[in-house]
Formats: sequence, C-alpha cells, structure tokens
Amino acid sequence: AQSVTQLGSHVSVSEGALVLLRCNYSSSVPPYLFWYVQYPNQGLQLLLKYTSAATLVKGINGFEAEFKKSETSFHLTKPSAHMSDAAEYFCAVRMDSNYQLIWGAGTKLIIKP
Amino acid sequence: NAGVTQTPKFRILKIGQSMTLQCTQDMNHNYMYWYRQDPGMGLKLIYYSVGAGITDKGEVPNGYNVSRSTTEDFPLRLELAAPSQTSVYFCASSGTPYEQYFGPGTRLTVT
Repeated sequence: AQSVTQLGSHVSVSEGALVLLRCNYSSSVPPYLFWYVQYPNQGLQLLLKYTSAATLVKGINGFEAEFKKSETSFHLTKPSAHMSDAAEYFCAVRMDSNYQLIWGAGTKLIIKP
Repeated sequence: NAGVTQTPKFRILKIGQSMTLQCTQDMNHNYMYWYRQDPGMGLKLIYYSVGAGITDKGEVPNGYNVSRSTTEDFPLRLELAAPSQTSVYFCASSGTPYEQYFGPGTRLTVT
C-alpha cells in the first residue's frame, strides 16, 4: 500500500536561505508524485508533479523537486526563500489503481525576516 | 474560467442539523473528490466519483452522503451534524491521473 511521510510539521528558514521540505513515499509501482501548496485560507494549488519523466522536476515560484528512487524520496527545494513562500506544503502520491491521492500530513513553512 | 467552486464559504450548524455543501466544476472532469482537512492531519478523502452516477467511499465516509447526477456537480450531504464534523471541506476534480484542482473550501463549525 502506498503511504507518504513528510518530515517536520513546521520548518522555519530565514528569508534568502535554502528551503528544503522532505517527503518520503512508499509505493509498490513506479509512483506519480506531487507537491501542492496551500496559502492561508485558500484551497490547494499544484506546485509540481513527477510522472516518470525527468527526475528533477521544476515547478512554479522557483521550486523544484528531485525524485530519488533509491531513497524513495521526493524532497522539495528552493534556493532562496521569499516571505511570500510562507504556506503549508503537501506531498502526495497517486494510488496504483485509480485517480486517488495519498496525502502527507503537511509541512508549514515559516519565513523569518 | 471558474474551475472548482464551492458554496457556502462558511457555515455554523447546530448539532443534529443537516446541510449540503455544493461543489461545481466547469472543466468537464470525470473525477471529483470530497476531502476534509483537520489541523495537522493533512487531507482525508470522504467520497469520490469517477463519473456521473458513480460514487464510492473514501477513507472517512461515515456521517456523509454524496450524489453525482451530472458531470459538473458533486454535492456533499451532512445528516445529523456532530461536533466531530467541524472541519474545512475541500472539493476537487481531475481529468487526468496527474493532478487535482481544488475549490476554495468550506469552513464548517458544528456546535
């Protein structure tokens, strides 16, 4: 069965610093993996997705994620944090047999001025 | 392009009352989903639909019902509201295996 683990319910970085949000998954088949972002009081928005093409995936707002099969990881990074990046980030994996997603618990990104 | 719309945005219910959360999408997506989001718990799937007339239970269906009479609409019905149903509810739709599009959510409080 698939599962998703996001390490750290809260991550705090200074403005301009590297952002690293961790996501590990388990899946019995090659996965489809996603990062979504949720700004306060809004719905979720797709940030980027891995669909078995390039292992380094670029998304919106300067974020990228690298699929590492050997580590079963799909960590999200951004070289330089902006105040506008403050949000909650969710990692998800698509289930084998249908269009359902399995969601991580989310990581709240806090940006310090 | 409206995408996924949800009404109402906020609602306060008394214990035992009923209500319907509305969800409409204009992208002609076959797949639609209802989630609830509780702090620190991520998203939990309540019900989903793979097309008009077809619905199925997700992870946390108890206390809820859905219908899908058209491709566009996927209402969620709460019967006999309980405090445990206090949550933020999101509707989403998808037309491919690759991504889901979310509505803005309904914040429900049951007191």
